[in-house]
Amino acid sequence: GAVVSQHPSWVICKSGTSVKIECRSLDFQATTMFWYRQFPKQSLMLMATSNEGSKATYEQGVEKDKFLINHASLTLSTLTVTSAHPEDSSFYICSARDSREVTDTQYFGPGTRLTVL
Amino acid sequence: GQNIDQPTEMTATEGAIVQINCTYQTSGFNGLFWYQQHAGEAPTFLSYNVLDGLEEKGRFSSFLSRSKGYSYLLLKELQMKDSASYLCAVLHGSSNTGKLIFGQGTTLQVKP
Repeated sequence: GAVVSQHPSWVICKSGTSVKIECRSLDFQATTMFWYRQFPKQSLMLMATSNEGSKATYEQGVEKDKFLINHASLTLSTLTVTSAHPEDSSFYICSARDSREVTDTQYFGPGTRLTVL
Repeated sequence: GQNIDQPTEMTATEGAIVQINCTYQTSGFNGLFWYQQHAGEAPTFLSYNVLDGLEEKGRFSSFLSRSKGYSYLLLKELQMKDSASYLCAVLHGSSNTGKLIFGQGTTLQVKP
């Protein structure tokens, strides 16, 4: 159980275009999902907390108008990188918290590698 | 603020035991997680400690001392496949609304 999927697993796009990344909890409901970014040889940096049916909470320094998050259902959250630039190239990872669990364990998706040319 | 420290790199021999330390200074502590991450892949959950003491799960054990702001992950009978990054993460904030703050990770290399 507690499987999280992401789509696509990798994407290459041109500068100035927008890219949408999907995060799905496959066998559980997730009222809360998280979006992280990881640069090479660095740790995960939390970008935002996505809550089903409400606005996302962004971390300091993360532009909410650039990184649009939508959590429309209990099993799906999407991250849209708008007007992507080469500096947005990174490994984007989502995680989901299983609403049934007492602990706050987050289960991570396989990640999406974004390359902006 | 929050501060989480782990050694950057460690090397150990196949079959041996290795201990990866993590110290933290954070407000609103609500538990500590260890994750394993292979290169290019997402982190996988290893352990969770919220009370002081040792949690054992097969070849992996994790220890927590809240008064000292200290945790360690112990890996026994090391295998080559254990070569990976090990991430210490503190749950910051109250349960159900908290968020994970990650350390920089410890890259473990297991040699034959």
